[in-house]
Amino acid sequence: GAGVSQSPSNKVTEKGKDVELRCDPISGHTALYWYRQSLGQGLEFLIYFQGNSAPDKSGLPSDRFSAERTGGSVSTLTIQRTQQEDSAVYLCASSRIRREGTNTGELFFGEGSRLTVL
Amino acid sequence: AQSVTQPDIHITVSEGASLELRCNYSYGATPYLFWYVQSPGQGLQLLLKYFSGDTLVQGIKGFEAEFKRSQSSFNLRKPSVHWSDAAEYFCAVGRFSSNTGKLIFGQGTTLQVKP
Repeated sequence: GAGVSQSPSNKVTEKGKDVELRCDPISGHTALYWYRQSLGQGLEFLIYFQGNSAPDKSGLPSDRFSAERTGGSVSTLTIQRTQQEDSAVYLCASSRIRREGTNTGELFFGEGSRLTVL
Repeated sequence: AQSVTQPDIHITVSEGASLELRCNYSYGATPYLFWYVQSPGQGLQLLLKYFSGDTLVQGIKGFEAEFKRSQSSFNLRKPSVHWSDAAEYFCAVGRFSSNTGKLIFGQGTTLQVKP
């Protein structure tokens, strides 16, 4: 597609349930990010994938959070045993890596997945 | 610790007035610097970026930003604000390597434009 696609756009779940959020990046973008945006807060970095390198997981808040990227394209963010404090908008972004291996720094963001944990 | 501070949570300016949004950062080395804008109902969009060279950078929609190393700042400016500039603005910093492109974002500044 033309832009970063995220699904679902809205998800309401009960505390303790697992959720999966999906991100389909722009074709050809080998860098992929997940961020979390809570009400009144900035963007909190969660995880970064770049090509075949090991992902930068330094932002994952707990071991209930995990993400994978299959085939260098689609990514899934999984939150296990959801808690009310997990309620937020989860944003995915992708960017292009130049031929010499450097990131252009221009992130293209999806519309986000709004997660509400009851 | 690496961090980005946007001291102004909310700013209101009159249409046609000038604008300056502040951004200060704490980082081990000089990072790459970015400003993103999030308009209501839209995704975040890159306004401008600084990697190296001229410390005054021009962006889209008539915005510019100036990197001041001595002040660890990267303030965003616009000479004359339009009503369509009402949005949330985020400053971000980071360094890129072969295995990370992590960007740290500030908490954002919400801009309201009065007619």
